[in-house]
Amino acid sequence: AQSVAQPEDQVNVAEGNPLTVKCTYSVSGNPYLFWYVQYPNRGLQFLLKYITGDNLVKGSYGFEAEFNKSQTSFHLKKPSALVSDSALYFCAVRDRPGAGSYQLTFGKGTKLSVIP
Amino acid sequence: DAGVTQSPTHLIKTRGQHVTLRCSPISGHKSVSWYQQVLGQGPQFIFQYYEKEERGRGNFPDRFSARQFPNYSSELNVNALLLGDSALYLCASSFRYAGQGQETQYFGPGTRLLVL
Repeated sequence: AQSVAQPEDQVNVAEGNPLTVKCTYSVSGNPYLFWYVQYPNRGLQFLLKYITGDNLVKGSYGFEAEFNKSQTSFHLKKPSALVSDSALYFCAVRDRPGAGSYQLTFGKGTKLSVIP
Repeated sequence: DAGVTQSPTHLIKTRGQHVTLRCSPISGHKSVSWYQQVLGQGPQFIFQYYEKEERGRGNFPDRFSARQFPNYSSELNVNALLLGDSALYLCASSFRYAGQGQETQYFGPGTRLLVL
């Protein structure tokens, strides 16, 4: 079965500093990986996804994520954090067709707080 | 373009009652999925529909049912409500069948259900 782990419940970072939100995954085959962000009382907003190819994926609002197959990780990064980046971040995985479940499996989420 | 829309935004029910939640996908999207997000957790997959057919079901009891209409909108029905059904119910749409793996699912703002 596929699974996602977000080891940090909360990440605090000062405005202007680089941020990293960690994600590790487990699938039976090669994964499709996604990052979503959720603001209070809102639905999930798509940030970026990894399908294949370049291990560094660039997404919305200056976010990027690095796929590392050997470490089964897909960490979300941003070079300079903004106060408006404060939100709940979810990593999700979907296995390749034919390799098992087709559904999106989400991590528990990491609350990012950017301190002015 | 309008995103995924859901109605109602909030709902209060009592145990044993029935509830119907509605979702309209992004124009042109043919696949709709439903997720349940309990406070403090990531979304959990309930159903996926594509071209009006059920294409997947998560680990939820038979009290949960759904359908997709010819205009690709969808309803989620929950019978015999339990206190534990209190959650944010999210609808997500994608252009093609999300089981093809790389399809991005775009989420609506959700319906917050409180069961008393």
